[in-house]
Amino acid sequence: GENVEQHPSTLSVQEGDSAVIKCTYSDSASNYFPWYKQELGKRPQLIIDIRSNVGEKKDQRIAVTLNKTAKHFSLHITETQPEDSAVYFCAASTRSNDYKLSFGAGTTVTVRA
Amino acid sequence: GAGVSQTPSNKVTEKGKYVELRCDPISGHTALYWYRQSLGQGPEFLIYFQGTGAADDSGLPNDRFFAVRPEGSVSTLKIQRTERGDSAVYLCASSHPQRTNTEAFFGQGTRLTVV
Repeated sequence: GENVEQHPSTLSVQEGDSAVIKCTYSDSASNYFPWYKQELGKRPQLIIDIRSNVGEKKDQRIAVTLNKTAKHFSLHITETQPEDSAVYFCAASTRSNDYKLSFGAGTTVTVRA
Repeated sequence: GAGVSQTPSNKVTEKGKYVELRCDPISGHTALYWYRQSLGQGPEFLIYFQGTGAADDSGLPNDRFFAVRPEGSVSTLKIQRTERGDSAVYLCASSHPQRTNTEAFFGQGTRLTVV
């Protein structure tokens, strides 16, 4: 099955700086890569996703890049703000099992004011 | 409803007891999923329903776990003879049926504690 690894497990950044989280996946058939943000005690919420036919996607201060050859994808948050503090999860799924998301272990991001 | 609703939000039970966790998906979402999230980990897939049937239950850890969705809407996750290792947050999610790789909307979860 799919194995998704996520690094780092914790990340502390100064407000206004950038944060980068990296994930690798094992199944070359994976074609969908969402990122979820989970605040303490709340539900995971999708913040951005990318499909395998695209190398990069941006949404305001958030961007995701995908390298299919190397089987890794990354989340970039620019101009971080205190409200960006949360746990971020990457995930992957394949076209044949698109309902089954395999999640990374999460990255706890703390933005210092 | 406005989102995926799960009840109860917290459940404490004694080892060996039976528990039921309920999920109300977003109206019109025929795809429904159950995930389990242990402390410090990402959600782990348990089971997927398309309509009333379990299309994939490969993530259920053993035969103490069972889930139903008799009318294609509300789903119940049932755990028999609970063990301390079952303690986790159980998340339910639903998505639109017609599109692949579509966003899964999560509920807030049920925190199960087995003592």
